[in-house]
Formats: sequence, structure tokens, C-alpha cells
Amino acid sequence: GIQVEQSPPDLILQEGANSTLRCNFSDSVNNLQWFHQNPWGQLINLFYIPSGTKQNGRLSATTVATERYSLLYISSSQTTDSGVYFCAVATLSSGSARQLTFGSGTQLTVLP
Amino acid sequence: ETGVTQSPTHLIKTRGQQVTLRCSSQSGHNTVSWYQQALGQGPQFIFQYYREEENGRGNFPPRFSGLQFPNYSSELNVNALELDDSALYLCASRRDEGSPLHFGNGTRLTVT
Repeated sequence: GIQVEQSPPDLILQEGANSTLRCNFSDSVNNLQWFHQNPWGQLINLFYIPSGTKQNGRLSATTVATERYSLLYISSSQTTDSGVYFCAVATLSSGSARQLTFGSGTQLTVLP
Repeated sequence: ETGVTQSPTHLIKTRGQQVTLRCSSQSGHNTVSWYQQALGQGPQFIFQYYREEENGRGNFPPRFSGLQFPNYSSELNVNALELDDSALYLCASRRDEGSPLHFGNGTRLTVT
């Protein structure tokens, strides 16, 4: 099956700093989503971005499908940004299910 | 607010017992899928239902089964519970194949 690798595994920032999270995947995808999981386990969809660039406030994401990677940018980080960030993909060979395969996540801690 | 609600939020069961977890999706979301997230890992795909029929399954044994109902609700049933079934169980739904997947807050199952 498809492999999804996220880096870095852990990231500690001071409030106000910027960061870039990376997701590499091993096959062509027709769906890529970035999620933020808060300390209570809630998995929040940040971006649906199989290709191209999107921005939502302080967050933006870019997926270069031909090179099989995606980047999540967080600017002016806040303590509420802390949590685990997951990249998840679905491949063209997933069949009708189009199930998401998740990476192992990046644990982000933003210090006040 | 994702429009996907799960119940109960927490559950404690004994090894060998059976459990039913419930999910309610947004109206019009014909696809519902279930994921298992063990502590410290990314969610793993269990199975998916489309218009009340299973159309995809991950690497989970038959004692994991499900149902989807016409009113956009669904169930995950697990028989003969094992200690390793302790995890956060996430329900997700989407409108169609080109739409993002939205997750509920999950049910945290503990098997003792």
C-alpha cells in the first residue's frame, strides 16, 4: 500500500514563530487532507488539497502532486495550535472506498 | 462543527464482551467510514459504507462489522473484544468522492 511519511515527528516552537510541516507519499493520490488533532482527540479538517495551494488565515498548504509531497505552513503560531498534525491521502488504486491512509503525524508544541 | 456526532464518548468493556458504537452523519453524506486510532498512532481504516453497503475494508478481522441506515446513522460492532481493541474509534463521512472527509469526536474504548 501507499506509504505516507511526515516530518519532523516533533516540533517545539515559541509563540509567534513560523513553521513548515512536510508530508511525502509514495504513489499518485486523488485526495490529500491535512488534519489537526487537539489534546481531546478531536480531528479537525484543515485542508482538502490533492493539488495546488490554499490558504486559511494563518495556515496555508501546498501540494505538488507530481513530486509527491505536501507542505503545511503555520505562521505566527499560537498556543492553541498545539497538537498533532496529520497528513492523510487516498490513492487512485484504493478502489471505490478511497480510504485515507494517515501518516504518523507531527507533534507540535507551542510555548507561551 | 463537522456535523458528525458519535456516542458514547467513552466506554469501558471487559475482554470477550461485545460493543456497539454509533455515529450520526450530516444529511446527504452517503459515505461513512470508520477508523481505529491506537495511542500514539495515526488512524487506521476499518471499513466504509456507501448507501448502506460495505464497499471497502481495511486489515481488520470479521469480528469488526458495521451497518449504515437510510437516516445517515451508522454503527460499528466489535465482537469478542480483545485488550488490543482499546483505542479511539472515529467515524467520518463525506458527500461524494470529490469531497473532504469530516470526522466526529470519536469514542474512546477501553477493554480491561
